[in-house]
Amino acid sequence: GENVEQHPSTLSVQEGDSAVIKCTYSDSASNYFPWYKQELGKRPQLIIDIRSNVGEKKDQRIAVTLNKTAKHFSLHITETQPEDSAVYFCAAGSLNTGGFKTIFGAGTRLFVKA
Amino acid sequence: SQTIHQWPATLVQPVGSPLSLECTVEGTSNPNLYWYRQAAGRGLQLLFYSVGIGQISSEVPQNLSASRPQDRQFILSSKKLLLSDSGFYLCAWSVPGTHTEAFFGQGTRLTVV
Repeated sequence: GENVEQHPSTLSVQEGDSAVIKCTYSDSASNYFPWYKQELGKRPQLIIDIRSNVGEKKDQRIAVTLNKTAKHFSLHITETQPEDSAVYFCAAGSLNTGGFKTIFGAGTRLFVKA
Repeated sequence: SQTIHQWPATLVQPVGSPLSLECTVEGTSNPNLYWYRQAAGRGLQLLFYSVGIGQISSEVPQNLSASRPQDRQFILSSKKLLLSDSGFYLCAWSVPGTHTEAFFGQGTRLTVV
């Protein structure tokens, strides 16, 4: 079945450094790629998303890139802050006969050290 | 505005007992609805998704089932729980007709003992 691989599983950076999380997907029909942030004990919340007709999208300190040919997409966080510490999930969405389906990666636990 | 309600927040059930988790959405019509499970320290595993009343797609064959008896109601059930069913269950909805952000409920932490 469809699969989303996410790396690394854990990432530790110094405050002010950049963090990069990478994902690959298997379903060539995927056309929607959201990223969610989940703080401890809370529900996941969308931080940024990108669609297949766009190669890059930026929102302040967060940027996502998509390479549809290679089925790769990445999250870049610049000037990291302690409050960026959380679990980040990538996901790939596609439309099939059953509806809109979104498959998530296993998550990356990001630690930002002050 | 739209809101999503999921209950109960926590649940401890013995092995072999039945399960019913309920999720309702307010403020929108015909939402896409989803059930995910998050095992400790793991990702979000898609269990079921639905685009309308009575229309359920299953991602993982197991002893769980889902139903959508009303437009904005999504129920996750099991006739007999297994220890491996323990986890954090999240319901989510998204705007119908297109692929957009999923809005998650607060989740139910299920412990099967």
